[in-house]
Amino acid sequence: DAKTTQPPSMDCAEGRAANLPCNHSTISGNEYVYWYRQIHSQGPQYIIHGLKNNETNEMASLIITEDRKSSTLILPHATLRDTAVYYCIVRVANAGGTSYGKLTFGQGTILTVHP
Amino acid sequence: ETGVTQSPTHLIKTRGQQVTLRCSSQSGHNTVSWYQQALGQGPQFIFQYYREEENGRGNFPPRFSGLQFPNYSSELNVNALELDDSALYLCASSPVRRGGRDTQYFGPGTRLTVL
Repeated sequence: DAKTTQPPSMDCAEGRAANLPCNHSTISGNEYVYWYRQIHSQGPQYIIHGLKNNETNEMASLIITEDRKSSTLILPHATLRDTAVYYCIVRVANAGGTSYGKLTFGQGTILTVHP
Repeated sequence: ETGVTQSPTHLIKTRGQQVTLRCSSQSGHNTVSWYQQALGQGPQFIFQYYREEENGRGNFPPRFSGLQFPNYSSELNVNALELDDSALYLCASSPVRRGGRDTQYFGPGTRLTVL
């Protein structure tokens, strides 16, 4: 799986958009970009994933550049409860019957939302 | 829909002992992955189980073993505990879909302390 690079920490004011960047310059054509977050000592929470098109769900939006070498996770209106470690992960999603289990977590970005 | 559950939530053992951690997968999910998360680090992949067989393993010694049962629940067993085994152990379940895209959903974790 391709390696990802994220800033170690970011701050955001409550109510503003939080834009979390991720570089994955060695991503392959069959690799997806996944985002998870982990609130203190809880299990990681799935946020969103995408291949090449921008994606949006009830939690966030994912913007992937045209060359797929970087992406941005957008939390449109950050709240204090969004304070967490955010992980950007690149992985192959297989085209067969069994699943590739390995998610390779880096250090992630510690997002702190301030009042 | 019931999410991923793990038991126990906390556990204290001494060096050399053996421990069994349990995971119930999310309804409709037939694949279970286990991760170890040391303090201040991202989760590290231990192994995955699919159809009751190990289906991929990370860089962990054989004293880390597992089982998956017909109802898709799973156990992680660790023999000869070492101090460095102190960590948060996470279980994640995923469905197997045609064409892949098997998003993993994590449980709350079991905090293991080895004294």
